[in-house]
Amino acid sequence: EVVLVESGGGLAQPGGSLRLSCAASGFTFSSYPMAWVRQAPGKGLDWVSGVGGDGTVTHYADSVKGRFIISRDNSKRMVFLQMSSLRAEDSAVYYCAKSHSEVSLYPGLDYWGQGALVTVSS
Amino acid sequence: QSALTQPPSASGSPGQSVTISCSGTSSDIGGYNYVSWYQQHPGKAPKLIIYAVSQRPSGVPDRFSGSKSGNTASLTVSGLQADDEADYYCSSYAGNFQGVFGTGTKVTVL
Repeated sequence: EVVLVESGGGLAQPGGSLRLSCAASGFTFSSYPMAWVRQAPGKGLDWVSGVGGDGTVTHYADSVKGRFIISRDNSKRMVFLQMSSLRAEDSAVYYCAKSHSEVSLYPGLDYWGQGALVTVSS
Repeated sequence: QSALTQPPSASGSPGQSVTISCSGTSSDIGGYNYVSWYQQHPGKAPKLIIYAVSQRPSGVPDRFSGSKSGNTASLTVSGLQADDEADYYCSSYAGNFQGVFGTGTKVTVL
């Protein structure tokens, strides 16, 4: 059974930093790209970032480029999202998700975690 | 990257069909066969119901079908059931190694 569990959410001040983690199990982790998707309270889904299976290729939405860094540790079956220079508009539930395809993130994300709430406020 | 455009709401009676549109551009939906659809119940994580325009993941009933024509993708839910009442989001590759989601559609089963 595929399971994704996010952690590291919480309250951060504007301009501050936070690191999200996602622990994966139930599949050949290193074979699949992984993504982070966020959802502000009462709003729609917002694609944030993605990383290839070996961790060398990373993708970012324009809204977070230069502020967020995605990485993975295949030996620990973990994906991370280091968030810096946080803004109020970054407040959201952040979901970790697994790619359906071993080749690309974009055909679809077939498993999602339960989400981690990030609140940016002074 | 601007969000893809979906109608805010759609509805149908049990047993009927409902179709949700997802409008984009030639830079996203029209340029790639990378459209996916997600179902989200309140307080829950999204669930993949269609990938690569028209493919269903294992376990998703064939009442759910997807298609694409030009810059617009569509999701049809046939034989509506009470549990189909949820928010639905489309998504597409938008080029430049970025993805984009739709604005979301709330489906109500009357």
